[in-house]
Amino acid sequence: ETGVTQSPTHLIKTRGQQVTLRCSSQSGHNTVSWYQQALGQGPQFIFQYYREEENGRGNFPPRFSGLQFPNYSSELNVNALELDDSALYLCASTWGLNNEQFFGPGTRLTVL
Amino acid sequence: AQSVTQPDIHITVSEGASLELRCNYSYGATPYLFWYVQSPGQGLQLLLKYFSGDTLVQGIKGFEAEFKRSQSSFNLRKPSVHWSDAAEYFCAVDQANRDDKIIFGKGTRLHILP
Repeated sequence: ETGVTQSPTHLIKTRGQQVTLRCSSQSGHNTVSWYQQALGQGPQFIFQYYREEENGRGNFPPRFSGLQFPNYSSELNVNALELDDSALYLCASTWGLNNEQFFGPGTRLTVL
Repeated sequence: AQSVTQPDIHITVSEGASLELRCNYSYGATPYLFWYVQSPGQGLQLLLKYFSGDTLVQGIKGFEAEFKRSQSSFNLRKPSVHWSDAAEYFCAVDQANRDDKIIFGKGTRLHILP
């Protein structure tokens, strides 16, 4: 039990739609990172937020965006969904930078 | 480009046998190194981490890993596996000063024979 929760657990969308995934971190965790894990692959870093500002971004297009809120929750938004966006989306939180990350159970997104 | 390589996609061992999972990384400086385990449909659980100091690190569930700078390796070991160890294992490198942060390997699926 990491104290990091994600919602929803599963989600089905159609191509072109928009989706918002949510993550709730432990109190005091001011850093949150989001990852995309395609089937049979390792997680790929999407972006990181530190104190509500973006602090690094992986090789993902701008239609992937995020927000971090003062109450230690965060969102991942994906616009114009594509079939290849189907994956497990993981959030991970920690305090400060360069510390052990605590992962949530993930949201399984299926794009039809 | 920075990378993490786990050369074994699948490994099968008998219960009670020893285990070694390989991980090689490409990075200019000494990175922060991690091993995570993922059970089906679950998130990632940290097994152990290396930041600095003693190159042999102990983790949870009886796992250990050894950092070898000369070989750019961080292999995971366990002297005697249990059926509950069957899962996917990921090696990861945290490149704190880079925008793309943490890089994961593609994983090694561990199968346990009774």
